[in-house]
Amino acid sequence: KNQVEQSPQSLIILEGKNCTLQCNYTVSPFSNLRWYKQDTGRGPVSLTIMTFSENTKSNGRYTATLDADTKQSSLHITASQLSDSASYICVVSPTGTASKLTFGTGTRLQVTL
Amino acid sequence: NAGVTQTPKFRILKIGQSMTLQCTQDMNHNYMYWYRQDPGMGLKLIYYSVGAGITDKGEVPNGYNVSRSTTEDFPLRLELAAPSQTSVYFCASSYFPTGDSPLHFGNGTRLTVT
Repeated sequence: KNQVEQSPQSLIILEGKNCTLQCNYTVSPFSNLRWYKQDTGRGPVSLTIMTFSENTKSNGRYTATLDADTKQSSLHITASQLSDSASYICVVSPTGTASKLTFGTGTRLQVTL
Repeated sequence: NAGVTQTPKFRILKIGQSMTLQCTQDMNHNYMYWYRQDPGMGLKLIYYSVGAGITDKGEVPNGYNVSRSTTEDFPLRLELAAPSQTSVYFCASSYFPTGDSPLHFGNGTRLTVT
C-alpha cells in the first residue's frame, strides 16, 4: 500500500532558527514529490516539486531535497519567520496522475518569538 | 484573481439532512477534485472530474455525489448526512491531470454533523 510518513508530527522553534522536516514514502512507481504549506484555516499551497532526477530545489528560504534511492525527502527552512507557522504536507504522485496522489499527515510548525 | 472559491465556510448539519458544498474556479482548469481532511490523516480524494460532464470516484466516495455541468463549477452533494462526514472539505483544481501540475485549493468548508 502506498504510504507517506512525515516527521516530526509537530515542531516549535524560535524565530530566526533553521529547521528540517522529513518525509519518507513507499509509493511506487514514483513520479514526483511535492511539498505544500497549509496555513490555519486555509487550503494547501504548493511550495516546490521534486522529480526523480532532482536532488535539491530551492524556493526562497525553503530548500527541498530528494533521495529517490532511500525514498526520503526533506524540507529545510532557513532563518524562520513567524509567517512560516503552518502545516507542511508532503505529497507523492505514483503514476503522474493527480487522482492517485498520496498525502502525508503533515508536520505542524510553530515559530515563536 | 479569485482562484478556487468554496462556500459555505462553515456548516452544521443534523443527522439525515442534506446539503451541497459549492466550488467554483476561474482559472479555466479542466481538472477538479474534492478532498476531505480529518485530524491526523492525510487528505483523501472523494471525487474528481477531468472535464465538464465527466466525473469519477476517488478513494472515499460513499455518501457523496458530484456533478460537473460547466468547467467552472464542481459542487459536492451530501445526502443523508452522518457523523462520519464531519470533516473539512477542500475543492481543488489543476491545469494538467498529472502530479506535475500543482493543485490549487480553495480555503475549505468545515462541516459538523450532529
